[in-house]
Amino acid sequence: DVKVTQSSRYLVKRTGEKVFLECVQDMDHENMFWYRQDPGLGLRLIYFSYDVKMKEKGDIPEGYSVSREKKERFSLILESASTNQTSMYLCASSLARTGVIYGYTFGSGTRLTVV
Amino acid sequence: SQQGEEDPQALSIQEGENATMNCSYKTSINNLQWYRQNSGRGLVHLILIRSNEREKHSGRLRVTLDTSKKSSSLLITASRAADTASYFCATVLMDSSYKLIFGSGTRLLVRP
Repeated sequence: DVKVTQSSRYLVKRTGEKVFLECVQDMDHENMFWYRQDPGLGLRLIYFSYDVKMKEKGDIPEGYSVSREKKERFSLILESASTNQTSMYLCASSLARTGVIYGYTFGSGTRLTVV
Repeated sequence: SQQGEEDPQALSIQEGENATMNCSYKTSINNLQWYRQNSGRGLVHLILIRSNEREKHSGRLRVTLDTSKKSSSLLITASRAADTASYFCATVLMDSSYKLIFGSGTRLLVRP
């Protein structure tokens, strides 16, 4: 069974801390994505990556960075956590084939609270 | 930026009834996808319909796509209490990117 694993289900961090959210997929997918989900705002794309060491900004990249050193792992970094980054963070991956687009596989999410 | 808008925002039905959710979008798409999310969990891909398709079925799910009206609908037939979840439509634009842009979702409650 295809899997995207996010390292933590719940996380509580202090304002100003550097926070790492880890995502690992075992499907050899090229594309990986980070979204945040907030009530009333839906899912918003933070960053995505089409290949190792590649990254592209999504709609709301401010305050975040990402790292993709290996194909299976895509990390989201909050350089200095702030309370407005309290949210549900969802990682996803998808297969890439020229001219064909597939559905995403999502992880279970990390609920981050910044205090 | 939100591409899709679901309607209704919330839907409550009795077990056994059909549930219909609608999605409208703004710009030309490559394909449209429907996802389900149980409370506090990740999203699960349900079905994908390409821009040159008009209807698609998967089990109790039926999806239609009208590109002239920029709209799609998801029909769940013979609903069950276990179908209670939020349902999202998501679009992939014609710009050849792989990004999914999600709508705001419909919360479905199926009463036993």
